[in-house]
Amino acid sequence: QQQVKQSPQSLIVQKGGISIINCAYENTAFDYFPWYQQFPGKGPALLIAIRPDVSEKKEGRFTISFNKSAKQFSLHIMDSQPGDSATYFCAASRRTGKSTFGDGTTLTVKP
Amino acid sequence: EPEVTQTPSHQVTQMGQEVILRCVPISNHLYFYWYRQILGQKVEFLVSFYNNEISEKSEIFDDQFSVERPDGSNFTLKIRSTKLEDSAMYFCASRQEEHGYTFGSGTRLTVV
Repeated sequence: QQQVKQSPQSLIVQKGGISIINCAYENTAFDYFPWYQQFPGKGPALLIAIRPDVSEKKEGRFTISFNKSAKQFSLHIMDSQPGDSATYFCAASRRTGKSTFGDGTTLTVKP
Repeated sequence: EPEVTQTPSHQVTQMGQEVILRCVPISNHLYFYWYRQILGQKVEFLVSFYNNEISEKSEIFDDQFSVERPDGSNFTLKIRSTKLEDSAMYFCASRQEEHGYTFGSGTRLTVV
């Protein structure tokens, strides 16, 4: 009930391409779905988040797509850049509860 | 932009010793958390703290762990008797209600 499954484990994309990372959750009580970006030696940083009352949220080159019936959400990075190379974590939580994190996706954007 | 500050950035300790990891959350945040990340692995929840008490803890957070908010700004994680498997990055996070976390840069704990 508390798991969040993230795929792929690693992803290599050419500069300018689209990076897509997927997550699936089980607990229907979750109502907040953030994505975090982590660079080596740093803490995760909040990138973008969505609530289940909308199906899509876009901030710059980053878009979350949310499918409530399938209990899935995904991160799309448009026009991927070498500076986007990092580990990305999806997470899910109830509003004031702990977040449950996915296993992470290591993204490499090749110049 | 407000930051969560963690000290020290790196701590090396001998097995069996006590360590205290320190955090200064963002001042107007109400919810505080400790997470840990073993090298290259997922971010694991340890404990959440609200209104001066633990609101939730994981199976990892056993009797060897404790948290305190000794004053209005600091938030500490104590490990009483460290084990080799406690070696990890420990992240403090804070948030306002209905927002994502702000994480600190972490403390790398190495138990030898």
